[in-house]
Amino acid sequence: AQSVTQPDARVTVSEGASLQLRCKYSYFGTPYLFWYVQYPRQGLQLLLKYYPGDPVVQGVNGFEAEFSKSNSSFHLRKASVHWSDWAVYFCAVSMDMGYKLTFGTGTSLLVDP
Amino acid sequence: EAAVTQSPRNKVAVTGGKVTLSCNQTNNHNNMYWYRQDTGHGLRLIHYSYGAGSTEKGDIPDGYKASRPSQENFSLILELATPSQTSVYFCASGAGTGGFTGQLYFGEGSKLTVL
Repeated sequence: AQSVTQPDARVTVSEGASLQLRCKYSYFGTPYLFWYVQYPRQGLQLLLKYYPGDPVVQGVNGFEAEFSKSNSSFHLRKASVHWSDWAVYFCAVSMDMGYKLTFGTGTSLLVDP
Repeated sequence: EAAVTQSPRNKVAVTGGKVTLSCNQTNNHNNMYWYRQDTGHGLRLIHYSYGAGSTEKGDIPDGYKASRPSQENFSLILELATPSQTSVYFCASGAGTGGFTGQLYFGEGSKLTVL
């Protein structure tokens, strides 16, 4: 069965510092991978998506993610974090572009001013 | 702008009572989903639907029913609510056959407390 693991429940970074949020996937096949963000008291919003092709995908607000088949990973990165990035980030996987997304447990990002 | 609205936004229910959570989408999407969000578990899929009249079991369907009477509306029904169903519930919609991109549009959530 498809699954994703986000090993870090909480990450704290200083404003202006770089960021990496980790995601490992488990799926025997072609994974379609996504990062969603949840701002306080809101639903989830799509940040970026990976379809088989270029391993580095760009998202909104300066976020990018890199797919690695050898490491079964899809880590999220940002060069310089802003206080407005304070949110919960979810990695998700879809099996062969089926209709279901399976989400990870989420990583809470805290930004020190 | 894609729009998914949920009602009620907050609900307090008693154990054994019936609870209905409603969801309406104006995106004309075929697929709709109900997830629950709990600390340490992330989002877990309860039920989903491919279109009006269809409902499918997700990963944790026990204790829940779903109803999709129309393209726009998708309800989650707890016939006999239990305290373990205290959670935040999210409805989402997404494009269907030939159009699924993995992008789901979420409502703002319904917080359910079962006493």
